[in-house]
Amino acid sequence: DAGVIQSPRHEVTEMGQEVTLRCKPISGHNSLFWYRQTMMRGLELLIYFNNNVPIDDSGMPEDRFSAKMPNASFSTLKIQPSEPRDSAVYFCASSISGGPEAFFGQGTRLTVV
Amino acid sequence: DAKTTQPNSMESNEEEPVHLPCNHSTISGTDYIHWYRQLPSQGPEYVIHGLTSNVNNRMASLAIAEDRKSSTLILHRATLRDAAVYYCILSAPYGSARQLTFGSGTQLTVLP
Repeated sequence: DAGVIQSPRHEVTEMGQEVTLRCKPISGHNSLFWYRQTMMRGLELLIYFNNNVPIDDSGMPEDRFSAKMPNASFSTLKIQPSEPRDSAVYFCASSISGGPEAFFGQGTRLTVV
Repeated sequence: DAKTTQPNSMESNEEEPVHLPCNHSTISGTDYIHWYRQLPSQGPEYVIHGLTSNVNNRMASLAIAEDRKSSTLILHRATLRDAAVYYCILSAPYGSARQLTFGSGTQLTVLP
């Protein structure tokens, strides 16, 4: 298995633009997580899906952020409009529901200028 | 949420054992102890987890104090590739990866 696949690996965008980050979880995993990592705040859980349904989105910073999981093999995290303070590395992770091991992707480094 | 306390940084010599400590004095009975590590420019990677008994796997060993208020991750023979940030995390319910709250971790430097 190729592991969790995220795209793009790097994204540079201008303030105000819409940004969409993509994630393909490991086949057979039914839990999916989006995290954000910054120097100031470390790794933060943004949202957690189980069987394609959002279970906990309490970590989503504000309404500009939205996440979807239309099927078991694809998820998106959208920021609209983007702001410079959204600059961070965004990680997607997947696991078997209830399992102890989360597998992380390589991350998307987002820079908003 | 129960929290963990780890040293900010540690150093080790290559091919020597490393003991990474973690304090979790407010741990509850259902909290599992997880360890993840993050190599430079990569996503976090699962290392090991446990509840009460010591655990071993191919990567490391986890020693859990009898009162469960502290634990130690043991790398038996450090290599340069083990240089990473190591995170000690408590999770509930039942040890799932569902609610992993990452702290600041311990930056491990391995000296050749």
